[in-house]
Amino acid sequence: NAGVTQTPKFRVLKTGQSMTLLCAQDMNHEYMYWYRQDPGMGLRLIHYSVGEGTTAKGEVPDGYNVSRLKKQNFLLGLESAAPSQTSVYFCASSPYADRAEQFFGPGTRLTVL
Amino acid sequence: KNEVEQSPQNLTAQEGEFITINCSYSVGISALHWLQQHPGGGIVSLFMLSSGKKKHGRLIATINIQEKHSSLHITASHPRDSAVYICAPGGYGGSQGNLIFGKGTKLSVKP
Repeated sequence: NAGVTQTPKFRVLKTGQSMTLLCAQDMNHEYMYWYRQDPGMGLRLIHYSVGEGTTAKGEVPDGYNVSRLKKQNFLLGLESAAPSQTSVYFCASSPYADRAEQFFGPGTRLTVL
Repeated sequence: KNEVEQSPQNLTAQEGEFITINCSYSVGISALHWLQQHPGGGIVSLFMLSSGKKKHGRLIATINIQEKHSSLHITASHPRDSAVYICAPGGYGGSQGNLIFGKGTKLSVKP
C-alpha cells in the first residue's frame, strides 16, 4: 500500500496562475484533510472532507477550492495564485474523525513568485 | 481562538538524556495527537491519546484532560530522535478530527 501520496512534490507558479494539487489514499479512509505549513507557524487546516462528495472549510480556506469526487482522491485548487500562498501543503487521511490517527502525505512545496 | 502552547520551542540534548516536551491547550477535547516531523519534512503520527499514558518503545505520552496538559517523554535519547515534535489536540470547528497544531518543538540530540 502506498498510503497517502501527493502530486506534485514541488511547483513554482507565477502570481495569477492556477494549479491543482492531488492527494490520493489507498486505505479506504472516509476523512481527508488539506493543511498548509508556514515557517514559525503550526500546521493550519485549509479544507476537509468527511466523505465522498463532501467538503468543508477549515481555518484558512480563502483562495482555495477543493473537490472530493472519488473517495480516494482529494483535490486542492488555487484559482489565482498569490505570493501569500507560498507554503508547504500536506494532505492527510483518517478512517473516522474522533480518536483516529491521521496519516500524512509527503507534502508539496509550492512557491508563488 | 483556540490555542496550543508547546514548550520548549527548541531543545538540545546529549545522547542518553531524558527529554520532556510539554503541551497546553485551551479547548475541551476528546483526544490529543503527538506527531513527529523528520528533517526531510515527512510527518508521522506517534500517539493519539485521550487519557492516562501510552508507551511506544522509548517514547511515553501522558495527558491530563482536566488540566488540559500533555507531555511527551523520550527516554535514553538518540541522535535519530532529532526532529520536530508537534502536539495537536482535536476539535477545530467542533469536529474532533480537525486538529489544532502547536508550533512544534525542535529537538536536536548530539552524540
